[in-house]
Amino acid sequence: AQKVTQAQTEISVVEKEDVTLDCVYETRDTTYYLFWYKQPPSGELVFLIRRNSFDEQNEISGRYSWNFQKSTSSFNFTITASQVVDSAVYFCALISSGYALNFGKGTSLLVTP
Amino acid sequence: NAGVMQNPRHLVRRRGQEARLRCSPMKGHSHVYWYRQLPEEGLKFMVYLQKENIIDESGMPKERFSAEFPKEGPSILRIQQVVRGDSAAYFCASSRIPGLADYEQYFGPGTRLTVT
Repeated sequence: AQKVTQAQTEISVVEKEDVTLDCVYETRDTTYYLFWYKQPPSGELVFLIRRNSFDEQNEISGRYSWNFQKSTSSFNFTITASQVVDSAVYFCALISSGYALNFGKGTSLLVTP
Repeated sequence: NAGVMQNPRHLVRRRGQEARLRCSPMKGHSHVYWYRQLPEEGLKFMVYLQKENIIDESGMPKERFSAEFPKEGPSILRIQQVVRGDSAAYFCASSRIPGLADYEQYFGPGTRLTVT
């Protein structure tokens, strides 16, 4: 069975604060892929990052960074110096057996000025 | 350099009517996936198709729902005799061959279906 848990339902921060969105996954497979997607208020789903299970190297892209730790089955997402435009729902997802993205429930991030 | 295209963006149907949702994958992508986003259930996989083949329909409701991806033209998700519970956002995604090192699913803007 595969499962993704995003325990934080809603987070509210003030602009310029750093914020970390948690993602914990479960799978019995040794090969799997992890993803983060952003859903802004306009509703579309925007791909942010993919990580393979055999690559634990952390990644930084501008103000975004991702921390993948197989030992704790976590794939956390940090936004540094948050901005109002970061306000969105963020989804963590997993593909292990099969081809379907298995999404977490999402974390709604609100960044206020 | 178009991304995944879906139409219509918004669709209103009365109970009992049929809904047809269309999806054109990104250029170079031959694999299409449909997902549904319901308010209380989140994003759920419905079906995975390649050209002229349904590969995995484990997430499709057994009745009233069908999907196709013909040799020519867009992928179609068809919902017959819609009910209020079908009201949701339906997203299509496409990818290159899954399983390769650079495999990702890119999503279209979604179709918001409202059943009155």
